[in-house]
Amino acid sequence: SYELTQPPSVSVSPGQTASITCSGDKLGNKYVCWYQKKPGQSPVLVIYQDTQRPSGIPERFSGSNSGNTATLAISGTQAMDEADYFCQAWDSSTAVFGGGTKLTVL
Amino acid sequence: QVQLQESGPGLVKPSETLSLTCTVSGASISSYFWNWIRQPPGKGLEWIGYFFDTGSTNYNPSLKSRVTMSADTSKNQFSLKLSSVTAADTAVYYCARDKRGSGFGDGMDVWGQGTTVTVSS
Repeated sequence: SYELTQPPSVSVSPGQTASITCSGDKLGNKYVCWYQKKPGQSPVLVIYQDTQRPSGIPERFSGSNSGNTATLAISGTQAMDEADYFCQAWDSSTAVFGGGTKLTVL
Repeated sequence: QVQLQESGPGLVKPSETLSLTCTVSGASISSYFWNWIRQPPGKGLEWIGYFFDTGSTNYNPSLKSRVTMSADTSKNQFSLKLSSVTAADTAVYYCARDKRGSGFGDGMDVWGQGTTVTVSS
């Protein structure tokens, strides 16, 4: 079965750029979405189709996808961005989530 | 504004069947892909499957033998049944919408608030 791998944790200082990676076999040939998940809240879609931001998502969130790796970047990271982030792709009509990355804003 | 609301028992006994319903407002379930996703305590998100308006379904291969999804268009609801549950099925269960499903990369753009299901005797 298809797998997506994320680092368990990433730390960033306020105002800096956080980068969270998601790797999978030939991932660049698939669309990747990213979700933000805060404790006690439902996931929120922050990136779809690799690079697109849904309405209401701040411009500091951006995405890329090439080769075997997709990346979520958060520029000018704020304390409110501290959360778990999950990548997601489809493989053979099955949705696959990465294991999640805990972003800590120090 | 599209809203989803999960409902169902919060406690299920081992070996029994977990049954949840997702009520959709602001959109017809006769369109879009309607997904179930869960998050066990301290773990990541796990996709359970989707229901599509024609009655088509697709399930996570790891759960396929125990999962059934269906819909009641008259109530604008879709449902999840998970049989032979164990403690490993304890999780927060979410329903979510995907506009076009696999291959289009639209993402699951609307989520319910989630409902906690505990499997315990």
